[in-house]
Amino acid sequence: QLVESGGDLVQPGGALRLSCAVSGFTFSSFGMNWVRQAPGKGLEWVSIIDASGGGAFYADSVKGRFTISRDNSKNTLYLQMNNLRAGDTAIYYCAKQAPGSGWFFDYWGQGALVTVSS
Amino acid sequence: DIQMSQSPSTLSASVGDRVTITCRASQSIHDWLAWYQQRPGKAPKLLIYKASSLESGVPLRFSGSGSGTEFTLTISSLQPDDFATYYCQQYNSYSTFGQGTKVEIK
Repeated sequence: QLVESGGDLVQPGGALRLSCAVSGFTFSSFGMNWVRQAPGKGLEWVSIIDASGGGAFYADSVKGRFTISRDNSKNTLYLQMNNLRAGDTAIYYCAKQAPGSGWFFDYWGQGALVTVSS
Repeated sequence: DIQMSQSPSTLSASVGDRVTITCRASQSIHDWLAWYQQRPGKAPKLLIYKASSLESGVPLRFSGSGSGTEFTLTISSLQPDDFATYYCQQYNSYSTFGQGTKVEIK
């Protein structure tokens, strides 16, 4: 089970941190991702972090503004979002990387809504 | 960056119909492609990975094929639960999703 929290209404230029609490599998064994979906739009991959937390990658649209991290002792994934823009308004899903090396996702949370507006 | 393009954007079909959705990549992604189903208000659900491998628990009426730049998702006999939006995703280089195909009731 993956449960996101931290979604909120924030002003442009503001910051927000999302959390994803995980249970039901060995969190520290799998890469984790954030995927977002703007209202009425398609899916956009945002970021991935490897199982140990030592490596991360980002979509160009968020690079330099968002930071993904994890605490394997707390089974929790995070997304720190800074300098938020209206275009970041979306439902943010955390998603577990499937076993193996492929960046596809076999379990997803229910999503957290982030609204960036003045 | 690898771009993914799905067709059609919307598909009208009836229960029992055979349905095919196409996904094209802007460059070869070998067979590093997944398909997801998303019902309204719900998170996406993995259906197919590595172009043609069926995820555990997914009904056998779903199948995937293709390699290189052209891929298809086929639903052999559409069921009421299958009316949803379907997305392809490449994971050959980072990750990119197609724009989605909405399967609606005819």
